[in-house]
Amino acid sequence: EAQVTQNPRYLITVTGKKLTVTCSQNMNHEYMSWYRQDPGLGLRQIYYSMNVEVTDKGDVPEGYKVSRKEKRNFPLILESPSPNQTSLYFCASSHRTSGRSYNEQFFGPGTRLTVL
Amino acid sequence: DAKTTQPPSMDCAEGRAANLPCNHSTISGNEYVYWYRQIHSQGPQYIIHGLKNNETNEMASLIITEDRKSSTLILPHATLRDTAVYYCIVRTLLHTGANSKLTFGKGITLSVRP
Repeated sequence: EAQVTQNPRYLITVTGKKLTVTCSQNMNHEYMSWYRQDPGLGLRQIYYSMNVEVTDKGDVPEGYKVSRKEKRNFPLILESPSPNQTSLYFCASSHRTSGRSYNEQFFGPGTRLTVL
Repeated sequence: DAKTTQPPSMDCAEGRAANLPCNHSTISGNEYVYWYRQIHSQGPQYIIHGLKNNETNEMASLIITEDRKSSTLILPHATLRDTAVYYCIVRTLLHTGANSKLTFGKGITLSVRP
């Protein structure tokens, strides 16, 4: 089954304790992205990756890091989490856009993170 | 990308058609209309997209007005599981190498009642 998986699904942590949220897709997609969703603010893009070893900042990258060492994986790293990073996080993937691609994006199930 | 306007909420009875409107009066000629939905706190899910012709797939139908300034997503036989926030997004087909970021507005909350 084609899918995007995220782990963990729920996480409660404390300020300053490094954590990683994993994202994996089995569709051989080139493009992967991380969003956070907050009440009243909608989904905002954190980082994205066009392919292996190619990453770039989205709209709200501060406090986050990513890496793309393999095509299927795109982990989100919080080196020193703070309470304002409490949010619902989604990973998404799609084929790399082309002039003829409608670019359907597949989203993971979400990771609910609470930073105390 | 053009801005979209959707009413905040609507409801319909189970088994009936749900018609979800979207206004995109500033849409340009090369912009497509996409619909995604998000069932309570789950990841958004692609539904359908179109340029100017009406489109239908196994999930829904998309009706775009002739002037393309508005569209309607139709769920022909709504079920309780269709209760979700539905997002209408307008964007171009991106060139290779472009960020495929989706910009979600507030969407419309559809409540399907028994």
